[in-house]
Amino acid sequence: DAMVIQNPRYQVTQFGKPVTLSCSQTLNHNVMYWYQQKSSQAPKLLFHYYDKDFNNEADTPDNFQSRRPNTSFCFLDIRSPGLGDAAMYLCATSRGRGKREKLFFGSGTQLSVL
Amino acid sequence: DQQVKQNSPSLSVQEGRISILNCDYTNSMFDYFLWYKKYPAEGPTFLISISSIKDKNEDGRFTVFLNKSAKHLSLHIVPSQPGDSAVYFCAADSGGSNYKLTFGKGTLLTVNP
Repeated sequence: DAMVIQNPRYQVTQFGKPVTLSCSQTLNHNVMYWYQQKSSQAPKLLFHYYDKDFNNEADTPDNFQSRRPNTSFCFLDIRSPGLGDAAMYLCATSRGRGKREKLFFGSGTQLSVL
Repeated sequence: DQQVKQNSPSLSVQEGRISILNCDYTNSMFDYFLWYKKYPAEGPTFLISISSIKDKNEDGRFTVFLNKSAKHLSLHIVPSQPGDSAVYFCAADSGGSNYKLTFGKGTLLTVNP
């Protein structure tokens, strides 16, 4: 089945130690998104790629970076994780951009920062 | 500042009864609304949507109602089934060049057999 896959399911890192979360998709969608969801909070968009075009949200900290080496893969890099970065990170895709485009989500990576 | 609010963190209903999940928004630029459902250990999945030019959209047991003047929408599930137990997220889109969905915090629905 076509899907969005996030690995690992759980990631533990140390305060200040760089960490990379990965996402892959078999849907061949043009758009890939990264959302951050803290406990009992709404998912918050960090950034998205439309093909190779990177679109950062204005309030996304510089500590968060992303790479999309090809259509299928997208990475979230946290350069110096702080305790406040502990959250569920959700990757999503859509065929295009626009209000009628449905998002397809991965299962998420739960990041813990020690 | 929360632009999409789901004020009920949880809701419990009996199987066969109606579930009503509510969502309020503050941004009058929102013109398309979606509901996503999330089971534990899975990502959210699209459930149903509604455009601001409509006040109702129905898909099987799921109906979404939109009251633009009140900036309020609701999701009705009739009849509720135990398999509907999940977190339901309301989301809104303002279109334009923003390409951004704004989500609510979600409501945990529990349907008891």
